[in-house]
Amino acid sequence: DQQVKQNSPSLSVQEGRISILNCDYTNSMFDYFLWYKKYPAEGPTFLISISSIKDKNEDGRFTVFLNKSAKHLSLHIVPSQPGDSAVYFCAASSGTYKYIFGTGTRLKVLA
Amino acid sequence: GAVVSQHPSRVICKSGTSVKIECRSLDFQATTMFWYRQFPKKSLMLMATSNEGSKATYEQGVEKDKFLINHASLTLSTLTVTSAHPEDSSFYICSAREQINEKLFFGSGTQLSVL
Repeated sequence: DQQVKQNSPSLSVQEGRISILNCDYTNSMFDYFLWYKKYPAEGPTFLISISSIKDKNEDGRFTVFLNKSAKHLSLHIVPSQPGDSAVYFCAASSGTYKYIFGTGTRLKVLA
Repeated sequence: GAVVSQHPSRVICKSGTSVKIECRSLDFQATTMFWYRQFPKKSLMLMATSNEGSKATYEQGVEKDKFLINHASLTLSTLTVTSAHPEDSSFYICSAREQINEKLFFGSGTQLSVL
């Protein structure tokens, strides 16, 4: 039972355009969400987080949107850069610091 | 930012041997660390929560006698894969929670190959 889902395994975007990565969850108890970026054979790197009391959080080129009624969050990267090419994971927790990860979306930014 | 060091980055071992993986928080104290496992093209799966000074909490389906976790200090947690089998071959990643901002910081991972 996959509680956190990233239905798009891959995404290709032209450099300079917007990248939108989506994540859906099923557990309504989740109240804190994270996005991580991962390069091959490396550990994930924290990107941005959002708590359930907000619906948007912005940090530079990265913005995360949370739609609690739809149990959906998305990560927007604008403008996309070739260095953004990586696998992106969303993760969710319900206040226990035990995070459940999605299956990841491989982003490829084309120069 | 906070740094988590994981060692070794890659290990190849024979079936039946034990392998120890270390996870250190270098510039912060971590009362809680987490161990994950990732299969190819799969998500990170939480294996266990490591609590300093107490027993680890294992997720359902994870054999605690096979994956021994020790969190002896506020900066070090170890995962020992005992009597390794080829099916234990995987990418193992630790993370540590920084108490101040509650962020999770990850180690660089360990690629375990059991022959």
